[in-house]
Amino acid sequence: EAGVTQFPSHSVIEKGQTVTLRCDPISGHDNLYWYRRVMGKEIKFLLHFVKESKQDESGMPNNRFLAERTGGTYSTLKVQPAELEDSGVYFCASSHGSSVSTQYFGPGTRLLVL
Amino acid sequence: QKEVEQNSGPLSVPEGAIASLNCTYSDRGSQSFFWYRQYSGKSPELIMFIYSNGDKEDGRFTAQLNKASQYVSLLIRDSQPSDSATYLCAVRANAGKSTFGDGTTLTVKP
Repeated sequence: EAGVTQFPSHSVIEKGQTVTLRCDPISGHDNLYWYRRVMGKEIKFLLHFVKESKQDESGMPNNRFLAERTGGTYSTLKVQPAELEDSGVYFCASSHGSSVSTQYFGPGTRLLVL
Repeated sequence: QKEVEQNSGPLSVPEGAIASLNCTYSDRGSQSFFWYRQYSGKSPELIMFIYSNGDKEDGRFTAQLNKASQYVSLLIRDSQPSDSATYLCAVRANAGKSTFGDGTTLTVKP
């Protein structure tokens, strides 16, 4: 069974540009999560989808971040316009069902904003 | 105060020794507790999860949970150099978000 995949693996952009990150969860997983780790800090929650609905977006830092999950399959996270402090590793995770089940993490996208 | 705190590292143990990693959490509503291992530049990999008070053993790994003390730990017996990594403690209150600690870096010296 394929794991969580993310694209791209790395992205280097200039301040003010737009970047879109993609996450493909494990097939059949209704729950999809975005997390971010900035340099020297802990992994922090951004938001949680259940199918195509945003269950919890309390971790989204500001309105420059837009997440979508049309059709309840893959998800995108767009940062527009990117700022220097957005640099970090963006992880996607997915889990099955509504119980407290294991979250499986993708390899992450390393974003560097110059 | 952070929601999830882990013992400050780095932690260094000789090969074959027991490594003890500790974690405390502030949300008494937390229901599930996870230990992830993360190698440099890689994604977190689940090692253990525990829901109930007491011990849970899986091979060389033992997770211990004490909800009254809001404490969870991970013991690694017969530590190997390949266990050298950053260990992340994560807690969840429901099917939603995980809250992570900063991680503890473990080095196992041959």
